[in-house]
Amino acid sequence: DAGITQSPRHKVTETGTPVTLRCHQTENHRYMYWYRQDPGHGLRLIHYSYGVKDTDKGEVSDGYSVSRSKTEDFLLTLESATSSQTSVYFCAISPDGNEQFFGPGTRLTVL
Amino acid sequence: KQEVTQIPAALSVPEGENLVLNCSFTDSAIYNLQWFRQDPGKGLTSLLLIQSSQREQTSGRLNASLDKSSGRSTLYIAASQPGDSATYLCAVPGAGNMLTFGGGTRLMVKP
Repeated sequence: DAGITQSPRHKVTETGTPVTLRCHQTENHRYMYWYRQDPGHGLRLIHYSYGVKDTDKGEVSDGYSVSRSKTEDFLLTLESATSSQTSVYFCAISPDGNEQFFGPGTRLTVL
Repeated sequence: KQEVTQIPAALSVPEGENLVLNCSFTDSAIYNLQWFRQDPGKGLTSLLLIQSSQREQTSGRLNASLDKSSGRSTLYIAASQPGDSATYLCAVPGAGNMLTFGGGTRLMVKP
């Protein structure tokens, strides 16, 4: 998985609770991304980062925030989880914004 | 808005067959196209990246072509094997390096 780990790999939480997902890379790549994958919608970009402390919104950013304080870590936070955020979350990295490499995913269930 | 379509949605072939997966996109102003493989419950594995200046890219039994003017890419798999069974996704970059994905082709290769 190109030196990408995601934690946790599985999480079940309740509506209204905060949740933080972590993506960690050992490749020293500049770009990092968070996607969600849902049946019928495919993969959609939530947020991305083009450097430490440099982030921007993607297609489906409402209800999510991100932070990147170190090159190797990109955190995705759901401030108050909702059932519509039940999904599989993938982190991706890229050295130059061209080819992207994906992590193993985190399956999140919000009850 | 870029739209990416993959046909067929599912394909079942006997082992040993050569096969072609199709990907079409609506906005031809792309600078590359990426093919991925996804096994059930797993992350995405990058198979091939074709730059807009290239017409073909090869990796082992895989060959991907790109025709920007017609908005099409094909992934050719030679001598298919049961281990090739997976979902194949194509994706093109957009604003902010966001990848827009097709819905995927679910391939089953029967022994």
